[in-house]
Amino acid sequence: DAKTTQPNSMESNEEEPVHLPCNHSTISGTDYIHWYRQLPSQGPEYVIHGLTSNVNNRMASLAIAEDRKSSTLILHRATLRDAAVYYCILRDVKGGSEKLVFGKGTKLTVNP
Amino acid sequence: DTGVSQNPRHKITKRGQNVTFRCDPISEHNRLYWYRQTLGQGPEFLTYFQNEAQLEKSRLLSDRFSAERPKGSFSTLEIQRTEQGDSAMYLCASSLFDTQYFGPGTRLTVL
Repeated sequence: DAKTTQPNSMESNEEEPVHLPCNHSTISGTDYIHWYRQLPSQGPEYVIHGLTSNVNNRMASLAIAEDRKSSTLILHRATLRDAAVYYCILRDVKGGSEKLVFGKGTKLTVNP
Repeated sequence: DTGVSQNPRHKITKRGQNVTFRCDPISEHNRLYWYRQTLGQGPEFLTYFQNEAQLEKSRLLSDRFSAERPKGSFSTLEIQRTEQGDSAMYLCASSLFDTQYFGPGTRLTVL
């Protein structure tokens, strides 16, 4: 399984943008980059995913480096409800495996 | 609410007892997954069903663990002869395509 590296923790202030980095230097051409988050006492929740191009949805934006060896999840205006552990995951759609391989993720703290 | 549901939400048992957890996926999702999560760690994959067929199993799924999805709808995860190391959150997820939708989990405590 291709590995990702994320900072253990990050801190932000409410209503400010947050940039959560993820390194994946061994990414293959068929790996999609997925982001999930896990709020306290809940199951993980899908945030966004992409392959090569930057992606936007109502929750966040995903910026993918040109060489695809890193990506950044962008929360445009953090709220207290965004405090969670954020997981960056690679999924090989041609690998035949359906599983998600979670690391330890980045614990985001949002200060009021 | 039409999300993934799991029952029970909490289970306390004594070492050596058998426990069974149930997962009801989102209606019409043909894929169902079980994960386990211990404190401070990300979820770890246990097993995956497509309809009623169990297509993938992790090496974490020892012979004390068995999962079923008899009619391709709900699924059960049974742990026999529980050990203290089985204490964890057991998460179920379902999907139709790429995105997995997780339930709230069942927290197991083995005394």
